[in-house]
Formats: sequence, structure tokens, C-alpha cells
Amino acid sequence: AQRVTQPEKLLSVFKGAPVELKCNYSYSGSPELFWYVQYSRQRLQLLLRHISRESIKGFTADLNKGETSFHLKKPFAQEEDSAMYYCALLMDSSYKLIFGSGTRLLVRP
Amino acid sequence: GAVVSQHPSWVICKSGTSVKIECRSLDFQATTMFWYRQFPKQSLMLMATSNEGSKATYEQGVEKDKFLINHASLTLSTLTVTSAHPEDSSFYICSARSPLVGYGYTFGSGTRLTVV
Repeated sequence: AQRVTQPEKLLSVFKGAPVELKCNYSYSGSPELFWYVQYSRQRLQLLLRHISRESIKGFTADLNKGETSFHLKKPFAQEEDSAMYYCALLMDSSYKLIFGSGTRLLVRP
Repeated sequence: GAVVSQHPSWVICKSGTSVKIECRSLDFQATTMFWYRQFPKQSLMLMATSNEGSKATYEQGVEKDKFLINHASLTLSTLTVTSAHPEDSSFYICSARSPLVGYGYTFGSGTRLTVV
């Protein structure tokens, strides 16, 4: 069955420290992975998608099919990065988007 | 572009009554919309897929008679929580795929439902 796993509920780092938010997936089809971010009192918004292979706000994520992972990384965290981050898997057969449980990133000054 | 508007943003209703939540795509047409439910400090759980002009498809465990979905036009989907109970209190979020963002998904701001 399809599943998205984010093992960390909370990740706390100091400003300027590197950040890695983990995401693993399970899907028998061709996966398309996304990272969404939800800032306090705001709607969910797309951060990046693996097919774009782009860097948004300094974040990058590489799809590793061998390890079925799509970890989100940023070399130097900023306080404004504090938010809830969700990894999501698009099921190509139905276009349903399945979310992981989310990781709250807290960047301390 | 690719804006999804959700209304109301919050609603309080009495047990046993019904509540309707609207989801509109403002600048694009959406043949398919998705409804999610989010409990406090938890992830988004997909409830159903709303299809314009046809019946919605519900995820396993979601009561279709309790959560009525209507997608009567290419820009509007509604979720009606019928005979609401306190356990239906939650945050409901709609989403749609938009060609304006490369067929990525854009989300509404959500509706907080409190049943008293």
C-alpha cells in the first residue's frame, strides 16, 4: 500500500545550522514527490516537487528511488523557515495526493 | 494565479444540524477537487475526490452519507457535513489541480468546524 513516512515530529535547530527533514515513501507505481510547507496561520503551499529539480528558498530535495526517500535539505536554516513541512506522494493512477504526518521545524535564534 | 477560495473559514453548529463548506477555484477550472480533513497537530487525511458532473469517490472509512460532496460546476465543489456530531469537529481543507501551476495542487485556506 502507498505510504509516506516522516519519522520526526519535531526538528529543532539553531539559525545557520544545516537542516534535513526526512521523508520515505512506499508506492508500487511511478512516484511523484512533493514538499509542502504550512506557515503559522497560513494555507498549505507548495515548496518544491522532485520533477522540477529546483531550489526554493534554499531548500533542495532529491528523489532516491533505491532508498525510496525524498529528504528535504537546507544548508543554513533561517528563523523564517520555522513551519510545518509535509512530504506528499502523488499517485499517478488516481492523481490523489497522500501526505506524510508532517515535521515541525523550529529554527532558534 | 491558481487560487482556491474556501468558505466559511470557520463555523460553529449544533449537534444534529448540517453544515455546507464551499470550495471555489477562482482563476481556473477544476474538474477534480479533493477534500481533506486535518485533526490538530496531525496530517491531512484525504476524505474524497470530487468529480465535476459525477459522483464523488470516497476513501475507505469515510461515510458518504455523512459527508455529501457536490461538484456541480467546474469552479465549485461543496462538502456538506450532515447530522453533525462533536467528533466531526475538525479542520477541512479542499484542494485542486491547476494548469496555472503545472498541474500542481493548490489548497484552500481551510474551514474550522466546531460542533457543539
